[in-house]
Amino acid sequence: AQSVSQHNHHVILSEAASLELGCNYSYGGTVNLFWYVQYPGQHLQLLLKYFSGDPLVKGIKGFEAEFIKSKFSFNLRKPSVQWSDSAEYLCAVKNQGGKLIFGQGTELSVKP
Amino acid sequence: GAGVSQSPRYKVTKRGQDVALRCDPISGHVSLYWYRQALGQGPEFLTYFNYEAQQDKSGLPNDRFSAERPEGSISTLTIQRTEQRDSAMYRCASSLAGTGLRGSEQYFGPGTRLTVT
Repeated sequence: AQSVSQHNHHVILSEAASLELGCNYSYGGTVNLFWYVQYPGQHLQLLLKYFSGDPLVKGIKGFEAEFIKSKFSFNLRKPSVQWSDSAEYLCAVKNQGGKLIFGQGTELSVKP
Repeated sequence: GAGVSQSPRYKVTKRGQDVALRCDPISGHVSLYWYRQALGQGPEFLTYFNYEAQQDKSGLPNDRFSAERPEGSISTLTIQRTEQRDSAMYRCASSLAGTGLRGSEQYFGPGTRLTVT
């Protein structure tokens, strides 16, 4: 069965630190890949997506992610985090069936 | 424009009662999805519709759960004879296109927090 694994359940960083959140998926076929973010008290928002083409995709608020097919990975990065980036981050995979399969999520806490 | 809306936002019910959760997708969106999210976990797929047709209900945990989208717009997720283990955040999402990898991304509503006492 398809699955998505996020390596860190809770990450704590200081402002201006660099961020990398890991995401690996298990599916041999063609997939779409997504990162969603949920800020406190708000609903899930799309951060960025990969469908095809350039494996390095840029999203909102300075986030980017790199699709490495050989590693089945889609890690999220940001060079310098801010306190306002504190949120839950969810990686998801979508196959031809249409549904999203999510990882368990990573809670990011940024200390001011 | 208006996003996906869900009602109620919070629902507390007693074990054994039936509940109905409503989702109003973005106007014109073909596909509608239901997910359930337990604390500390990512959302898990329940079911989805293209227009009024239920395409996949493989994620519904048992026959107490059902969903409908009779006119291809608003959808209702019904849980009969609720149990404490049904307590979770129920999320609805819609997308412009249907299945396939060229379908557009899913836009989520605020969710309904269900608590069964």
